[in-house]
Amino acid sequence: EVQLVESGGGLVQPGGSLRLSCAASGFTFSSYWMHWVRQSPGKGLVWVSRINGDGGSTSYADSVKGRFTILRDNAENTLFLQMNSLRAEDTAAYYCAREVNGAFDSWGQGTLVTVSS
Amino acid sequence: QSALTQPPSASGSPGQSVTISCTGTSSDVGGYKYVSWYQQRPGKAPKVMIYEVNKRPSGVPDRFSGSKSGNTASLTVSWLQADDEADYYCSSYAGSNIFVFGTGTKVTVL
Repeated sequence: EVQLVESGGGLVQPGGSLRLSCAASGFTFSSYWMHWVRQSPGKGLVWVSRINGDGGSTSYADSVKGRFTILRDNAENTLFLQMNSLRAEDTAAYYCAREVNGAFDSWGQGTLVTVSS
Repeated sequence: QSALTQPPSASGSPGQSVTISCTGTSSDVGGYKYVSWYQQRPGKAPKVMIYEVNKRPSGVPDRFSGSKSGNTASLTVSWLQADDEADYYCSSYAGSNIFVFGTGTKVTVL
């Protein structure tokens, strides 16, 4: 069974940093593109970032480019999102998701990030 | 990277059908076959209902169907059931390794 479990969320001050993790199991992690998607409270889904299987290709939404970095450790079956220079508008639940056929076929339960002083 | 446009709400009675539109541009919805639809219930993670415009993952009822014409994709839920009440989002590949989601539609079963 495919499982994705996010962790690392919490309360952080504006300008601060946070590193989210997503532990994957039940599939060959290194064979899949992976994504981060976020959802601010009461709002819609927003695509954040994508990384290919070996970590050599990454892409970002304009809203996070230059501040967020997506990484993966295939030996540990873990996806990361390093978030720097955090802003109030980054407050959201962050989901990791697996991509298959251009769709997000498996999702974690999400981890909440709150940026506030 | 503008969000795809969906109607904020849609509704129907049990047994009826409801269709949700998802309008983008030739750079996203109109340009690629990678259009997908997601159901999200309150407090839960999204669940894929349709991928590659009109394909259903295993386990998704055939009451859910997808289509695309030009820059607009559509999700139709036939024979509405109370359990279909949820938020629905479309998503599309937008080229250059970028994806975009729709604004979301709340479906209410009357």
